[in-house]
Amino acid sequence: DAGVIQSPRHEVTEMGQEVTLRCKPISGHDYLFWYRQTMMRGLELLIYFNNNVPIDDSGMPEDRFSAKMPNASFSTLKIQPSEPRDSAVYFCASRRQGARGTGELFFGEGSRLTVL
Amino acid sequence: GDSVTQMEGPVTLSEEAFLTINCTYTATGYPSLFWYVQYPGEGLQLLLKATKADDKGSNKGFEATYRKETTSFHLEKGSVQVSDSAVYFCALSLNTGGFKTIFGAGTRLFVKA
Repeated sequence: DAGVIQSPRHEVTEMGQEVTLRCKPISGHDYLFWYRQTMMRGLELLIYFNNNVPIDDSGMPEDRFSAKMPNASFSTLKIQPSEPRDSAVYFCASRRQGARGTGELFFGEGSRLTVL
Repeated sequence: GDSVTQMEGPVTLSEEAFLTINCTYTATGYPSLFWYVQYPGEGLQLLLKATKADDKGSNKGFEATYRKETTSFHLEKGSVQVSDSAVYFCALSLNTGGFKTIFGAGTRLFVKA
């Protein structure tokens, strides 16, 4: 079975440009999470969805960040305009509904973003 | 608020040495506890978990026991290998509300041959 698929794996862009990161969760998983990983702040939860509905976006750093999940098999994280401090690895993860709090998260390989 | 604190790294050990990585947590209610491992260039993957007090999770020679009285979930391995070099994350998952997972800062482990 395919795991969580993220694209692009690497993105280099200039400050002020729009960045869109994409995620395809594991089929049948009802929760989708976006995390950001940096050396300074570690792994931060940005937002998560349940059945395509955003549940908690309190981790989204600013209005420049937005996330959508138009259907059960696709989500995007958009940064507009991007800034150098947004440089990080962005991970998408998914989990089954029935697992509730005891279930494991399945992570994608991450999208490494560099904003010049 | 809910949080996870784990020992700072990096931790450098020789092959076959004993490993302990400390992890303590603060949470309302009774969370499930996890250790995830991240190898270079990859996403995190589950190493082991425990869902209630006194449970012991184990996998690939690693183990951790859910200690409610000390709010701890320390990771141990009796004899590490070079291939264990990675970053290890302690995490908790709430069993109420949104069931979100909260991670510690991660501990980098280097194992020398």
